[in-house]
Amino acid sequence: DQQVKQNSPSLSVQEGRISILNCDYTNSMFDYFLWYKKYPAEGPTFLISISSIKDKNEDGRFTVFLNKSAKHLSLHIVPSQPGDSAVYFCAASPLSGAGSYQLTFGKGTKLSVIP
Amino acid sequence: DTGVSQDPRHKITKRGQNVTFRCDPISEHNRLYWYRQTLGQGPEFLTYFQNEAQLEKSRLLSDRFSAERPKGSFSTLEIQRTEQGDSAMYLCASSPGISYEQYFGPGTRLTVT
Repeated sequence: DQQVKQNSPSLSVQEGRISILNCDYTNSMFDYFLWYKKYPAEGPTFLISISSIKDKNEDGRFTVFLNKSAKHLSLHIVPSQPGDSAVYFCAASPLSGAGSYQLTFGKGTKLSVIP
Repeated sequence: DTGVSQDPRHKITKRGQNVTFRCDPISEHNRLYWYRQTLGQGPEFLTYFQNEAQLEKSRLLSDRFSAERPKGSFSTLEIQRTEQGDSAMYLCASSPGISYEQYFGPGTRLTVT
């Protein structure tokens, strides 16, 4: 049972345009969410996070939006650059209780930014 | 750069052999995590330590798997009697204090033949 779902295995975007990566979750105990980027043959790299008390968090070109009622979050990258081409993973964790500090990941979305 | 390091980066072993992987976390990070990633999947949590105490273990961690962090610094993950289904990327991560953001190493790719 996938508790974190990334329904788009891949996404292609033109350089300079916006990339939007989506993630849905089913476990209502999740209240901290993270995005990671992964290049081949490397470990995941932390990008940005958001807790459930917020609905938006921004860091440079990266913005994460959280819609808690819909159990949905998205990562926006503006403007997209060729170096952003990688696999992006959404991850989630409860902030307390069982499973806290234990990240549950989606299957990832492969982003290709076309020059 | 003193990020998370893992050794070896690649390991090929025959079914039935034992293997051990090492992880060195970022200095001063008191939490250390092990994950496993197979092709087409995201990382799956295996276990985590706070200092030297192992606090959580996933049901994925069968009794052939054992992890230690004896002095609260580096950690080892041992797999006994390896099976072909153990072939995967084994990732280590660490985090400081009460942060939920985990910083990953490059992983150890295990191939069981």
